[in-house]
Amino acid sequence: NAGVTQTPKFRILKIGQSMTLQCAQDMNHNYMYWYRQDPGMGLKLIYYSVGAGITDKGEVPNGYNVSRSTTEDFPLRLELAAPSQTSVYFCASNRGQGAEQYFGPGTRLTVT
Amino acid sequence: GIQVEQSPPDLILQEGANSTLRCNFSDSVNNLQWFHQNPWGQLINLFYIPSGTKQNGRLSATTVATERYSLLYISSSQTTDSGVYFCAVERVGGNTDKLIFGTGTRLQVFP
Repeated sequence: NAGVTQTPKFRILKIGQSMTLQCAQDMNHNYMYWYRQDPGMGLKLIYYSVGAGITDKGEVPNGYNVSRSTTEDFPLRLELAAPSQTSVYFCASNRGQGAEQYFGPGTRLTVT
Repeated sequence: GIQVEQSPPDLILQEGANSTLRCNFSDSVNNLQWFHQNPWGQLINLFYIPSGTKQNGRLSATTVATERYSLLYISSSQTTDSGVYFCAVERVGGNTDKLIFGTGTRLQVFP
């Protein structure tokens, strides 16, 4: 199993540009999550999904959108990038409530 | 919302030393996990421990849910233990594993 994979690893965006961060898992997990981690801080939940076709907001959803058309994929869309979105983005998944969360390697995004 | 506080914020050890990391939370939880973020940024799940005690090699964890804290013990520390340790919780009533993370304890182990 590849586990949770994320692409790209690094990206630099100009203010106002848009992009999609890709996340995929091959463990047949129903639950998937997007977090951001600012320097020296813990992780904050952006969006989550409990299954294909179902998504909901986390703590910090503004400026982001998600979709979940398949069990495997959970892309995160940034519209009109702003410097405040400079961060490391982590995708995670687990098989259901109370199970261990598995994290991808992260995407380091800089908006200038 | 629920508050998660970790202490100490920083810890410096010599190889072979033991340490205890603490996580306090402000509300009842039905999910508590400990994670290690290595110096390259990778997050690894260490324990799922909403209550009780678990051990895995040199690491063990105890959660006293009624008193709203959890402890992570690292024995005979090694340089590979360096990194940031996070505690994350979901409060009782939640059913989607939306974890709230603490700000972490940064551990440096020197040879």
